[in-house]
Amino acid sequence: AQTVTQSQPEMSVQEAETVTLSCTYDTSESDYYLFWYKQPPSRQMILVIRQEAYKQQNATENRFSVNFQKAAKSFSLKISDSQLGDAAMYFCAYTGNQFYFGTGTSLTVIP
Amino acid sequence: GAVVSQHPSWVICKSGTSVKIECRSLDFQATTMFWYRQFPKQSLMLMATSNEGSKATYEQGVEKDKFLINHASLTLSTLTVTSAHPEDSSFYICSPKVGKRAEAFFGQGTRLTVV
Repeated sequence: AQTVTQSQPEMSVQEAETVTLSCTYDTSESDYYLFWYKQPPSRQMILVIRQEAYKQQNATENRFSVNFQKAAKSFSLKISDSQLGDAAMYFCAYTGNQFYFGTGTSLTVIP
Repeated sequence: GAVVSQHPSWVICKSGTSVKIECRSLDFQATTMFWYRQFPKQSLMLMATSNEGSKATYEQGVEKDKFLINHASLTLSTLTVTSAHPEDSSFYICSPKVGKRAEAFFGQGTRLTVV
């Protein structure tokens, strides 16, 4: 069965610093997608970054980048130059035919 | 990306009444819609999967007679919470399946409070 694990329920980072959120997953599939979502207080799910499993190159989106280790089934998110607006819940997600979400990491950005 | 419109964004209802939540795909056709429920400080939990023109598939532990899902057209799926109780208070989110795999689009969510 597919599972997604986020071992850090809460994280904090100083403004302008870098933080890394961890995620591991378990699957027997070879072709899948991985996502990081941000959920601010409005609770709208916002896509941060997406990684296709067959691509070895790590995805990047401006200040957000991932470290995708397929063999280790690890998919961490690095946020560089953290901003106050980055404060939110972050969910790691795996998708085959449906989404499987991690339990989330609450990120606090300290001014 | 796909545009998904979910209404209402929030609703307060009395115990015993029913509430309908609509999820519309505005610029594409969604043959499959996922419905999630999220309690405070928790993750999204899949409740059911609706398929256009057929019966929805419910996850274990979700009462199909309580959470009625209708997917009558390719652009509209609805979730009706029947005989709502305070424990049904939650955040409900829809998400269409676009293409071969589940994609990254979500409705804005509906915050349901049952008093």
